[in-house]
Amino acid sequence: AQSVTQLDSHVSVSEGTPVLLRCNYSSSYSPSLFWYVQHPNKGLQLLLKYTSAATLVKGINGFEAEFKKSETSFHLTKPSAHMSDAAEYFCVVTGSYGQNFVFGPGTRLSVLP
Amino acid sequence: EAQVTQNPRYLITVTGKKLTVTCSQNMNHEYMSWYRQDPGLGLRQIYYSMNVEVTDKGDVPEGYKVSRKEKRNFPLILESPSPNQTSLYFCASSFSPGTAYNEQFFGPGTRLTVL
Repeated sequence: AQSVTQLDSHVSVSEGTPVLLRCNYSSSYSPSLFWYVQHPNKGLQLLLKYTSAATLVKGINGFEAEFKKSETSFHLTKPSAHMSDAAEYFCVVTGSYGQNFVFGPGTRLSVLP
Repeated sequence: EAQVTQNPRYLITVTGKKLTVTCSQNMNHEYMSWYRQDPGLGLRQIYYSMNVEVTDKGDVPEGYKVSRKEKRNFPLILESPSPNQTSLYFCASSFSPGTAYNEQFFGPGTRLTVL
């Protein structure tokens, strides 16, 4: 069975500084991994995904994530935070057949002016 | 426009009164799924469907039913709602799970309150 741990429930950064949102996963199979973002009172939008191609994955809005199998991690980073990045971020893992999407509990990102 | 739609967006009901939340996608996706979102718990999968007439339980299926009679529709049925089913519900679809085209597209959500 798959599981996801998001190590921080809340991260606060200043505008223009780097963002790091941490995610560790557990999966019996070669996983697919995703990051989704949810802005207040909105639906979920895909930021990026890893499906066993390049381990460094680039997504939308300047975000990227690196798949590290030895560490079972898939941390999300952005070099410079923008006010519009304030949102809830979810790390998601799915197994080799893709039928189960398992979400982490989410990390709320606050961006201070 | 490619999208997943849900109706209603907001619903207040009373304990025991059967309700249905509809979900429809116009992307010819094989896979559809329902989630509930509760504070601090992220999204938890209720049911999913790999294709027409094929449905299976997710992590929290108790108290819910689904059907997949057509590829585009995947309604969520609460036959006897209870207050612990008060939540934000999302429907999602994807083209083909287990392949490179497995990202899920989400509907706008349905906020359900059961009194």
